[in-house]
Amino acid sequence: EDQVTQSPEALRLQEGESSSLNCSYTVSGLRGLFWYRQDPGKGPEFLFTLYSAGEEKEKERLKATLTKKESFLHITAPKPEDSATYLCAVQAVGGNQFYFGTGTSLTVIP
Amino acid sequence: NAGVTQTPKFRILKIGQSMTLQCTQDMNHNYMYWYRQDPGMGLKLIYYSVGAGITDKGEVPNGYNVSRSTTEDFPLRLELAAPSQTSVYFCASSYQPGLFSGNTIYFGEGSWLTVV
Repeated sequence: EDQVTQSPEALRLQEGESSSLNCSYTVSGLRGLFWYRQDPGKGPEFLFTLYSAGEEKEKERLKATLTKKESFLHITAPKPEDSATYLCAVQAVGGNQFYFGTGTSLTVIP
Repeated sequence: NAGVTQTPKFRILKIGQSMTLQCTQDMNHNYMYWYRQDPGMGLKLIYYSVGAGITDKGEVPNGYNVSRSTTEDFPLRLELAAPSQTSVYFCASSYQPGLFSGNTIYFGEGSWLTVV
């Protein structure tokens, strides 16, 4: 069964304190791994898609990496506006569905 | 620049009432989805559609129905509302998975439903 597990559930960082969020996945064959940002009261907003182990994507202070079993979302020198819930999802080869993790709630304190 | 549009944003239903959540997308996506999101539970797929006239069940379809008469619209029907259906509902759309690289799923802003 395809599964996605995210850790930690919640993370509090001081502004400028870099850290990483983890997404572990089990899927028969990976078509893609997706990262989303969700602000309170809003729908998830697309950040990155990763397709194969070793791939990396960057956007401002965020960098996503992928191995055969997990993905990391690295946050460098975060700012308060980076506070949000970050969701990870996977899609299997031949599948029509996206499987989501429960998210990591990130709070960046000024 | 609309993307995926859902209505209503908020709704309170009484137990046993029925209602329809509306969803429309203007990106010409052939795939559309309905998810519900409960605290600490992540996004759970209710139903999805791979094109007009074709729908299929997701993980948690009980108590819901869908139809897809056009590419743009994918309404979600709640019959005989129950307190367990209190949740936030998200409609989403995408191109056919794997059609090209960079394909992803785009979400609406959500519909908050309370059943009392």
